Amino acid sequence: NAGVMQNPRHLVRRRGQEARLRCSPVKGHSHVYWYRQLPEEGLKFMVYLQKENIIDESGMPKERFSAEFPKEGPSILRIQQVVRGDSAAYFCASSPVSYNSPLHFGNGTRLTVT
Amino acid sequence: LAKTTQPISMDSYEGQEVNITCSHNNIATNDYITWYQQFPSQGPRFIIQGYKTKVTNEVASLFIPADRKSSTLSLPRVSLSDTAVYYCLVVGSGWSSASKIIFGSGTRLSIRP
Repeated sequence: NAGVMQNPRHLVRRRGQEARLRCSPVKGHSHVYWYRQLPEEGLKFMVYLQKENIIDESGMPKERFSAEFPKEGPSILRIQQVVRGDSAAYFCASSPVSYNSPLHFGNGTRLTVT
Repeated sequence: LAKTTQPISMDSYEGQEVNITCSHNNIATNDYITWYQQFPSQGPRFIIQGYKTKVTNEVASLFIPADRKSSTLSLPRVSLSDTAVYYCLVVGSGWSSASKIIFGSGTRLSIRP
């Protein structure tokens, strides 16, 4: 069974460009979470989505960041007009319907803004 | 939200048993205790989850005292490949808690030969 797939693994963008990060959850999982991790730090919650719905985006900056999880296709985390402070590892996780189910993480997308 | 506190770092040697303790004084009745492991350049990986007493799987054991205000992750006979960051989380069981899965800074475990 394929785990959570994130692509690209590495992404380099210049300041002002857009970054699109993709996440394909484990087959059958309908809950997706996005986290951001700076070097030597823990993971910071950004957003929690279910199919076609944003459930909690309390950890996501109000401007430039958006996320979606369409009925068909992967979840997308979109960062517009990137700045150097957006450089980080972005991790996606998925879980099935059960609330106590462990999260399954992808290996992240490392975004570097030059 | 139940905040967790765990040591920033720990060192041990191959073949030893390692115990990492996590405190969660404000844990709620419906909360579960969950541990994840993260290697460099990888996403976290679920290790073990428990509610009370003791849980054991092929990787680790989790000890939770009766008051549930702390928990201890026990790794038997560690090897160099157990060098990683270990996160202790308290996770609610209700719908409104589904998004409140908060990772702290974790414990950086270093295993030496």
